[in-house]
Amino acid sequence: DAKTTQPNSMESNEEEPVHLPCNHSTISGTDYIHWYRQLPSQGPEYVIHGLTSNVNNRMASLAIAEDRKSSTLILHRATLRDAAVYYCILSAPQGAQKLVFGQGTRLTINP
Amino acid sequence: KAGVTQTPRYLIKTRGQQVTLSCSPISGHRSVSWYQQTPGQGLQFLFEYFSETQRNKGNFPGRFSGRQFSNSRSEMNVSTLELGDSALYLCASRSTLPGLAGSSYEQYFGPGTRLTVT
Repeated sequence: DAKTTQPNSMESNEEEPVHLPCNHSTISGTDYIHWYRQLPSQGPEYVIHGLTSNVNNRMASLAIAEDRKSSTLILHRATLRDAAVYYCILSAPQGAQKLVFGQGTRLTINP
Repeated sequence: KAGVTQTPRYLIKTRGQQVTLSCSPISGHRSVSWYQQTPGQGLQFLFEYFSETQRNKGNFPGRFSGRQFSNSRSEMNVSTLELGDSALYLCASRSTLPGLAGSSYEQYFGPGTRLTVT
């Protein structure tokens, strides 16, 4: 399984943008990049995924480097509810998948 | 639409016993995956079921098993419990497998079952 590397923790202020980085230098040409987050005492929650192009949804944006060896999850305006552990995961494009979770980045939002 | 439900939410068992955990996926979802979460190892994939067949399996001993029923509900069983099996067991569902018609990459997780082995 291709490996991802994320900072252990990050801190930001409420209502400011947050950029969460992820390195995945061994990504294969067909691997998708997924982001999930886990709020305290809850199961993980899907955030966004992409392959090559940048992606936007109501929760966040995903910026993927041109060589695909890194990506950045962007929360445009952080709220206290965004405090969670964020996981960057790679997965194969088809068939049964297992999400291989790393240690993730623990995001703290200051009021 | 109701989310993924898992029962029971909390469970205490003794070493050597066995346990069965249940997961009801979102209505219409046909794929169910199971994960184990511990403070030391983090989130680890156990297995995935689709159309009552196990499609993928993680690196867990044979004491961990599962099955899926025709209504897509799934159960996982752990036999001969060990102290190290204490964990949060999470179930996730999705509509179908990626690559198939109507597929989605999003997996929806339930709240988990907290198993404590004493």
